[in-house]
Amino acid sequence: GIQVEQSPPDLILQEGANSTLRCNFSDSVNNLQWFHQNPWGQLINLFYIPSGTKQNGRLSATTVATERYSLLYISSSQTTDSGVYFCAVRSRSDKLIFGTGTRLQVFP
Amino acid sequence: GAVVSQHPSRVICKSGTSVKIECRSLDFQATTMFWYRQFPKQSLMLMATSNEGSKATYEQGVEKDKFLINHASLTLSTLTVTSAHPEDSSFYICSARDPQSRTEAFFGQGTRLTVV
Repeated sequence: GIQVEQSPPDLILQEGANSTLRCNFSDSVNNLQWFHQNPWGQLINLFYIPSGTKQNGRLSATTVATERYSLLYISSSQTTDSGVYFCAVRSRSDKLIFGTGTRLQVFP
Repeated sequence: GAVVSQHPSRVICKSGTSVKIECRSLDFQATTMFWYRQFPKQSLMLMATSNEGSKATYEQGVEKDKFLINHASLTLSTLTVTSAHPEDSSFYICSARDPQSRTEAFFGQGTRLTVV
């Protein structure tokens, strides 16, 4: 089946810093989503981005489907950005497969 | 975005008992819902695909007699963990897709199950 790898696995930042999270996938996909899982487990939809670039406030994402990767940019990070970030891809069998995740900790 | 509600958010049960978790799509009809399981510090693993009016499709390695899924209406899917054991303790989360909303998936709040 399709493999979805994220890097880095862990990231520690000071408030105000910028970061880039990467998602690599092993096969063609129908779509890609980025999620933020908060400390209570809730998955927050960040981006639905099968291709191209989108921005929402301090966050932006870019997916290059032909090269099988996506990037999530976080600028001017805040402590509330802490949590785990997942990318997930929808395979040809219509299943949403999650990546390995990046655990982000932002300190004041 | 579409709203998916999951209940309960937290449950503690004794070994040998069964636990039912509900997943509802509140503002759309979902012919397909998905159930995931997440162990601490790990990613979400797809357990099964729940199809309205038909049998669920289970992923390899998931016991269908252990995890009973019922999708009796277009807005409700239930996951029952039967004869629960401590190793079933985990975070269970459901997802539904609004067919009007491209193929974007939305998730419930999750259920933290602890079997003692």
